[in-house]
Amino acid sequence: NAGVTQTPKFQVLKTGQSMTLQCAQDMNHEYMSWYRQDPGMGLRLIHYSVGAGITDQGEVPNGYNVSRSTTEDFPLRLLSAAPSQTSVYFCASSYIKSQDTEAFFGQGTRLTVV
Amino acid sequence: AQKITQTQPGMFVQEKEAVTLDCTYDTSDPSYGLFWYKQPSSGEMIFLIYQGSYDQQNATEGRYSLNFQKARKSANLVISASQLGDSAMYFCAMATGGFKTIFGAGTRLFVKA
Repeated sequence: NAGVTQTPKFQVLKTGQSMTLQCAQDMNHEYMSWYRQDPGMGLRLIHYSVGAGITDQGEVPNGYNVSRSTTEDFPLRLLSAAPSQTSVYFCASSYIKSQDTEAFFGQGTRLTVV
Repeated sequence: AQKITQTQPGMFVQEKEAVTLDCTYDTSDPSYGLFWYKQPSSGEMIFLIYQGSYDQQNATEGRYSLNFQKARKSANLVISASQLGDSAMYFCAMATGGFKTIFGAGTRLFVKA
């Protein structure tokens, strides 16, 4: 997934700590999203963006903030980490146009909150 | 409310045979998009195919095709000529209202040699 760079790959946080997951894409895609994946489940949308300066909440937004100041970057901030936020996080970048649609995911971040 | 249902937790297919993975959806939004993704055991997410609600033809991408039946609200993924490397988890997803996306629970596909 050379097009989407997501860091870090692993992270351990203590309860109450804050951190930012970084996500950058170089494909000029308008759509970017953050998901979490808990064991044995599909992905759940945290926040998404349809362009620079525009963000919206997904299915599970509580405890997370995002911003999209540029087309390329879409960081996810955990405000005060809780054990319930232990999960694998994916950033995604997409271009939607019928048969020309493409979507790329970052490699994922395995976050553990202790 | 938006909903995606994948009723097959696991599927087996013989190598070189075709397999259909089921996906049904529910939405009142007339404009939506349907996606299929593959997640191998390595954990990465791979986009396979997309179908827009207004697209006239069913989407195809190499060995993948999407059997889109709008009236039945189904968007099944057909994989032709299965390969061992197709063994993975497959997720159906739907985007509505801009790009608000929900995922199904997934189907684990096992390809037998």
